[in-house]
Amino acid sequence: DIVLTQSPGTLSLSPGEEATLSCRASQSLSSASLAWYQQKPGQAPRLLFYGVSSRATGIPDRFSGSGSGTDFTMSISGLEPEDFAVYYCLDYGGLIKTFGQGTKVEMK
Amino acid sequence: EVQLVQSGGGLVQPGRSLRLSCGGFGFIFGHYSIHWVRQPPGKGLEWISGVSWNSDTIAYADSVRGRFTISRDNARNSVSLQMSSLRPEDTAIYSCVAASGSGSYYNPLSDNWGQGALVTVSS
Repeated sequence: DIVLTQSPGTLSLSPGEEATLSCRASQSLSSASLAWYQQKPGQAPRLLFYGVSSRATGIPDRFSGSGSGTDFTMSISGLEPEDFAVYYCLDYGGLIKTFGQGTKVEMK
Repeated sequence: EVQLVQSGGGLVQPGRSLRLSCGGFGFIFGHYSIHWVRQPPGKGLEWISGVSWNSDTIAYADSVRGRFTISRDNARNSVSLQMSSLRPEDTAIYSCVAASGSGSYYNPLSDNWGQGALVTVSS
């Protein structure tokens, strides 16, 4: 089974700064089946990206996704107060779905 | 309005069984794969099982395979997760979630999640 490793575990940033989150797969995701989710306390996860870089409905363009093979990145340019949350990547291309362990973006 | 409404959950002793249910409203439930995801308090998300729209494809995470069984009844717009031989490490909030887009099992999970049900396994 594919293992997704996210880094860093925690990112301490100030509003307006750029956040760069990494998601590394233990083997190539040949079908580009990588999604990103945002989760705030007490809420269900929210889909941000699917297919590596396709923004879900309503996601602002300060969010961007990129990568291929085993290395994927999600960036947030100009952090807004509502962006402080936990972010998860998900491999959905196989029979077994796999989440990364999450990256917490916290306010410095 | 698209809704997934869960029932079940609660406190159960180790080794016992529990059944979770998930009902769909406001969309053509029978066209979508449904998955179960759990989250231990304060920890990350873990996908544990999924079923395709027609039940032809069913899968489980290694951590629950052989103990949990997923099933669906499209006539009743419902999916169930039967959990057996429960362990303390199964303690988590369990949520059902629909796949994004109809048809394929290999779509990402959508924004349509159930409200979550806390399952506590403890003696």
